[in-house]
Amino acid sequence: DAGVTQSPTHLIKTRGQQVTLRCSPKSGHDTVSWYQQALGQGPQFIFQYYEEEERQRGNFPDRFSGHQFPNYSSELNVNALLLGDSALYLCASSGIRDSTSHEQFFGPGTRLTVL
Amino acid sequence: GDSVTQMEGPVTLSEEAFLTINCTYTATGYPSLFWYVQYPGEGLQLLLKATKADDKGSNKGFEATYRKETTSFHLEKGSVQVSDSAVYFCALSEGYNQGGKLIFGQGTELSVKP
Repeated sequence: DAGVTQSPTHLIKTRGQQVTLRCSPKSGHDTVSWYQQALGQGPQFIFQYYEEEERQRGNFPDRFSGHQFPNYSSELNVNALLLGDSALYLCASSGIRDSTSHEQFFGPGTRLTVL
Repeated sequence: GDSVTQMEGPVTLSEEAFLTINCTYTATGYPSLFWYVQYPGEGLQLLLKATKADDKGSNKGFEATYRKETTSFHLEKGSVQVSDSAVYFCALSEGYNQGGKLIFGQGTELSVKP
């Protein structure tokens, strides 16, 4: 059983560019959450997708947007990149429909560097 | 808003030493509490959790007790090993049973020397 997978592993962009990160949830999970982890900090919640809709959102600007597909995979898009967007972006999946699977399983992350 | 505060690291211990990592929280309701561990180059793994006051979470020799009166969830282990070297995050979730978001502390790096 594959766990949560994310792509790419690493990414280097320049200021002002746009980036798309991808996440495939653990088998059987229908909910995807995205977190930003700056160096030396704890992860911060960006947003959560369930049934292809944004269900919750953290304190992030509109430059951060997402999408969930019918197969439950998800994308995180960041427009107009700033140096401060450099971070590890973590995807976590969970199963809202399955009441025994509220645990959020994390992927290995995508390391984004903005130059 | 809700928040989590952890003791600052890095924490350096010798093998077989006793470990305590302090964690306190602020929440408006009755959150579930978690400890996650992040090994170098890997994502977060759930180490243990407690969903109500006085619950004790335990796993792999680690323990933490949900103390509502002191709003704390300190992580302990009686005898650490080199393989326990990692970054430990305390977290809370207000709506855990509904897949609610996790709020993390800043993390505490643990280094265990042989």
